[in-house]
Amino acid sequence: GDSVTQMEGPVTLSEEAFLTINCTYTATGYPSLFWYVQYPGEGLQLLLKATKADDKGSNKGFEATYRKETTSFHLEKGSVQVSDSAVYFCALSRGWNNNDMRFGAGTRLTVKP
Amino acid sequence: GAVVSQHPSRVICKSGTSVKIECRSLDFQATTMFWYRQFPKQSLMLMATSNEGSKATYEQGVEKDKFLINHASLTLSTLTVTSAHPEDSSFYICSATTGRTEAFFGQGTRLTVV
Repeated sequence: GDSVTQMEGPVTLSEEAFLTINCTYTATGYPSLFWYVQYPGEGLQLLLKATKADDKGSNKGFEATYRKETTSFHLEKGSVQVSDSAVYFCALSRGWNNNDMRFGAGTRLTVKP
Repeated sequence: GAVVSQHPSRVICKSGTSVKIECRSLDFQATTMFWYRQFPKQSLMLMATSNEGSKATYEQGVEKDKFLINHASLTLSTLTVTSAHPEDSSFYICSATTGRTEAFFGQGTRLTVV
């Protein structure tokens, strides 16, 4: 079945460091891909998404490109801030919306000043 | 974006009692709502999908008699954990969609059974 494999954490970075969180997927057809962020004690917030190959999702300085050839959707940010500390989830959906989603295990990011 | 509200955000109950969690779409009509469960430091696992006016579809391994889901209106779905036990302690999250847009997530409910 469809699945998402995400880089295990935790990841600890200093402020202004470059961030990469790897995500690869297995799916039949053409899934939509998502990154969600979960701050402590809160639910999930959509960070960015891409619905077809070569699409780049971006938001708040974060970017991820849908790479069909490598079945990847790696999350990147050029300069992280302390406020970016959270858990990041990669996910896929079979449809163009995010019904019937499959989530990765999550990667905890801690950014130190 | 659209707002989905869950209530309560935290609940502590005694073993053997039942707990109801509400999921409301505040500014749109949700034809479909999803219920997820998240164990500490783990990912979200889909428990069930509910469509307004029909019975919920449960994922394999989820006991439908223990986790009762009702989606009686286009803005409200409820999850009732019946005869709760400590192993049911978890973070429960709902999401809601019109079916034509992405789904939006609630803020989650942390259930602790003592």
